[in-house]
Amino acid sequence: AQRVTQPEKLLSVFKGAPVELKCNYSYSGSPELFWYVQYSRQRLQLLLRHISRESIKGFTADLNKGETSFHLKKPFAQEEDSAMYYCALKSGNTPLVFGKGTRLSVIA
Amino acid sequence: ETGVTQSPTHLIKTRGQQVTLRCSSQSGHNTVSWYQQALGQGPQFIFQYYREEENGRGNFPPRFSGLQFPNYSSELNVNALELDDSALYLCASSLGGDNTHNEQFFGPGTRLTVL
Repeated sequence: AQRVTQPEKLLSVFKGAPVELKCNYSYSGSPELFWYVQYSRQRLQLLLRHISRESIKGFTADLNKGETSFHLKKPFAQEEDSAMYYCALKSGNTPLVFGKGTRLSVIA
Repeated sequence: ETGVTQSPTHLIKTRGQQVTLRCSSQSGHNTVSWYQQALGQGPQFIFQYYREEENGRGNFPPRFSGLQFPNYSSELNVNALELDDSALYLCASSLGGDNTHNEQFFGPGTRLTVL
């Protein structure tokens, strides 16, 4: 069965510090991994997907198939990065499977 | 271009009642997916509709049912409400059914409280 694990419910960092939001998945095939973000009072939106290999708002994520991880990283956190972050997995015609989310709080 | 809209915003029902939630997909999108997000959890897939047909279902009982209309808007119906049905219900629209990599655009959600 597909599963996405985000081990931290809450992550607090100081402004300017590096950020790493962890995501591990279990799936035997070749999944597509995503990070979704929900800012305060806004709807859930796609932040980035591993197939795009792009940096969005300074965030990057690399799919590590050996460790079955897709951690989200940013070298210097900003206050506007404070939000709820969800890692999600999809493969073929299966639906999106979300993790429970990590709340990132960036302290000024 | 209009984004995904959902109605109502909030709803309070009692156990045993029935509820209908509505979703208007983004302009040009023919696929609607519904998710349940309980407090402290990530969204959980309920089902998806593609061109008016159910195109995949998650682990939800039959009292959760849906419809998609010719204009691709959708309804989620829940019968015999239980306390555990209290959650935020999210609708997401996309183009092309489930076996594509097209991005899903989420609505703001409907918060359902069952007393």
